[in-house]
Amino acid sequence: DIVMTQSPDSLAVSLGERATINCKSSQSVLDSPKNKNYLTWYQQKPGQPPKLLIYWASTRESGVPDRFSGSGSGTDFTLTISSLQAEDVAVYYCQQYYSTSSATFGRGTKVEVK
Amino acid sequence: QVQLVQSGAEVKEPGASVKVSCKPSRYTFTGYYIHWVRQAPGQGLEWLGWISPNSGGTKYAQNFQGRVTMTRDTSISTAYMELSRLTSDDTAVYYCARGTIEPSCSNNHCFFFDYWGQGTLVTVSS
Repeated sequence: DIVMTQSPDSLAVSLGERATINCKSSQSVLDSPKNKNYLTWYQQKPGQPPKLLIYWASTRESGVPDRFSGSGSGTDFTLTISSLQAEDVAVYYCQQYYSTSSATFGRGTKVEVK
Repeated sequence: QVQLVQSGAEVKEPGASVKVSCKPSRYTFTGYYIHWVRQAPGQGLEWLGWISPNSGGTKYAQNFQGRVTMTRDTSISTAYMELSRLTSDDTAVYYCARGTIEPSCSNNHCFFFDYWGQGTLVTVSS
């Protein structure tokens, strides 16, 4: 299975400041001929199911605020919240879908307000 | 708005089986794979597998092979996940989620999830 490693485990950011979460895959999730990275990001708030934020590493899901952005390629990816809002407090997960035999998630990054 | 409604919480004894249902609405049931993902208390997300409501075909995560069975009933547009030989390690919230359709994925079915059920807490305890 492709192993997804997120860092940090948690971070505290002041309101209005930038939050950056990293995700590294144990093998490339880039399909070079299609030029697509099979990587997605979810946001999960307490007591709720995960919510899709970003797919294809950088495509924002409809309705997701533009302060959320995804970047990276191959094995290294980043989720950036450009200006943290109180409602962004949550756990964020990356997930690869390159493998057709299994989908694997990172362990999550908890974002809090400093 | 697409919805996936799951069955209620369950308490099971070790060694028993549990069957969780997932009823999607407001889209064509047979058009999208249903995936199952679980989350142990305070832990991350773990994928269990998928079922194609159209064909009934399934794919299970290796960790659950032989213990999980995914089925569907197209007459009532409902998907099911049954997990057997339960242990305390199976205590978790179980989610169903809709897989997405994208031409860049194998058979157009992608393993990322745009809509999720509300979750079903399964507690395994003697």
